Amino acid sequence: KAGVTQTPRYLIKTRGQQVTLSCSPISGHRSVSWYQQTPGQGLQFLFEYFSETQRNKGNFPGRFSGRQFSNSRSEMNVSTLELGDSALYLCASSPDGGRLGYTFGSGTRLTVV
Amino acid sequence: AQSVTQLDSQVPVFEEAPVELRCNYSSSVSVYLFWYVQYPNQGLQLLLKYLSGSTLVKGINGFEAEFNKSQTSFHLRKPSVHISDTAEYFCAVSDQSQNFVFGPGTRLSVLP
Repeated sequence: KAGVTQTPRYLIKTRGQQVTLSCSPISGHRSVSWYQQTPGQGLQFLFEYFSETQRNKGNFPGRFSGRQFSNSRSEMNVSTLELGDSALYLCASSPDGGRLGYTFGSGTRLTVV
Repeated sequence: AQSVTQLDSQVPVFEEAPVELRCNYSSSVSVYLFWYVQYPNQGLQLLLKYLSGSTLVKGINGFEAEFNKSQTSFHLRKPSVHISDTAEYFCAVSDQSQNFVFGPGTRLSVLP
């Protein structure tokens, strides 16, 4: 059974650009959550999607957005990148909305220069 | 709202010594509890989870954790650590409302 796949693995962008990150959950998992991880702030919850609907959202500016497709694959987008957006972005999937735990991908390392 | 406390941000320990990483949570309702491990430049990997039943839960890599409802704790233990256990460890809790909250993490450093 394939795990959670995140692409790309590494990304370098310039300030002001936008970026789209992709996440393919485990087959059959309908819930996808996104987290931002930085050395200073730790793991911070971005948003959660369940069956194509955003169910929860963390405390991030509107530059951060996401969506989920009918096949449960999810994308997150960050517009007008800032240096502080440099982070490891982690995607996690669950069959039941996280109640019984999440399976994480390896993450996308975004560097904004 | 749920909260998870990991009192120790860093724990240094010598190889083959025992270790305990502490986790406390705030909720008084039924919860599910998890420990995840993160190796450098990797995602989080599930070590073990408590859903119900026996309060002593065994996980991968020789780790175990004990659920203590009265103390709202879920401490992680290993009787003898290896260099390869050096990583960051996260405690997490979920509840019936499907709120899933992580603790701030504990960095375990195993010294030779």
